[in-house]
Amino acid sequence: EVQLVESGGGLVHPGGSLILSCSASGFAFSSYVLHWVRQAAGKGLEYLSAISGSGDTTYYYADSVKGRFIISRDNSQNTLYLQMSSLRPEDTAVYYCVKVEWGTLRDSGGPLEDYWGQGTLVTVSS
Amino acid sequence: DIQMTQSPSSLSASVGDRVTITCRASQGISNYLAWFQQKPGKAPKSLIYAASTLQSGVPSKFSGRGSGTDFTLTITSLQPEDFATYYCQQYNSYPYTFGQGTKLEIK
Repeated sequence: EVQLVESGGGLVHPGGSLILSCSASGFAFSSYVLHWVRQAAGKGLEYLSAISGSGDTTYYYADSVKGRFIISRDNSQNTLYLQMSSLRPEDTAVYYCVKVEWGTLRDSGGPLEDYWGQGTLVTVSS
Repeated sequence: DIQMTQSPSSLSASVGDRVTITCRASQGISNYLAWFQQKPGKAPKSLIYAASTLQSGVPSKFSGRGSGTDFTLTITSLQPEDFATYYCQQYNSYPYTFGQGTKLEIK
């Protein structure tokens, strides 16, 4: 069974830093692209970033986090990370890690196999 | 970046009704579109992919149509458990952008 468990959220002051982790199990971790998506309270889903299975390639950073957030992974520990720095109140959100191979889905047509963690709440406030 | 625009942003309906939500892409995305349902405090759950293919385990009351730039999600015979927020997401190219969501509320 695929499981994704985020951790590391909490209260941080503006300008501070935080590292989110997503511990994965139930699949060949290094073989899959992983994504971070966030959601501010009462707002929609915002696609943040993605990283290749090997960790060599990062596919995207949203403009809202570019230069401040870094996605990375440790395949020996089956863990995905999101290093967040220069945090702003508008970064307050629930952060989800997501396993889904959108590229493979485009090529194959299906089935869709998507898995989401439970999310971890980051609150940026003084 | 491809912008995804959903309408309406909120929708009020009664149990037993049929509703349709629209999602428009700012450029053509073929059929690379998925629909998600999200309930408060929960992660999104996929309903449809490839614009019209029902995800495993999702009841046939949900259906999707469209290709190119215009897509719809239709839900028939609304039940209390269907009242939630619905999002479209394109997976044509990075960033895999979401629509802003449609909140389906009980009338």
